[in-house]
Amino acid sequence: DGGITQSPKYLFRKEGQNVTLSCEQNLNHDAMYWYRQDPGQGLRLIYYSQIVNDFQKGDIAEGYSVSREKKESFPLTVTSAQKNPTAFYLCASTQGNGYTFGSGTRLTVV
Amino acid sequence: SQQGEEDPQALSIQEGENATMNCSYKTSINNLQWYRQNSGRGLVHLILIRSNEREKHSGRLRVTLDTSKKSSSLLITASRAADTASYFCATDARETSGSRLTFGEGTQLTVNP
Repeated sequence: DGGITQSPKYLFRKEGQNVTLSCEQNLNHDAMYWYRQDPGQGLRLIYYSQIVNDFQKGDIAEGYSVSREKKESFPLTVTSAQKNPTAFYLCASTQGNGYTFGSGTRLTVV
Repeated sequence: SQQGEEDPQALSIQEGENATMNCSYKTSINNLQWYRQNSGRGLVHLILIRSNEREKHSGRLRVTLDTSKKSSSLLITASRAADTASYFCATDARETSGSRLTFGEGTQLTVNP
């Protein structure tokens, strides 16, 4: 079955560490997205990519970085510059008619 | 920035009743989409309505769009306990850098058996 796989499901980060969240899709979608969700809130766009080797900042890109070396993969790195990284991170992709979301990664700073 | 605003923030109804959620937005859009999220899970796409459409149906879902008022509504008819979830509207303004969805803060729907 086609879909988006996010890993890990839960991730714990120590202060000052960088961590990378994985997002892989086998839907052959060109566009991929990273969103952050805080408790009881909507989704805020971190970064997005319309095509391989190209990406744009979203509304809250500070403290995050991405790469898009392959069509299937869009990893997100949460750097030590992100001061409040504890949140639920969602990856999505689309080919134009609605987004398909992964099941999310819950990141906690310890 | 949050483009969409849902109303109400929370809604509690009995099984069999209809549930109506509203969404308002601020800028011109290409389409508006509704999503459902069960607690702690990813979002599931429900329905997409384009800016030149006024109403769309999918099963027990009915979506309306009024571009003059910059608002949309989602109606779930004959609700079931399994409909309990958060519902989000999202607008696609299709900027020069491509499609990007902006989400509202959602309506938490509880359907009591």
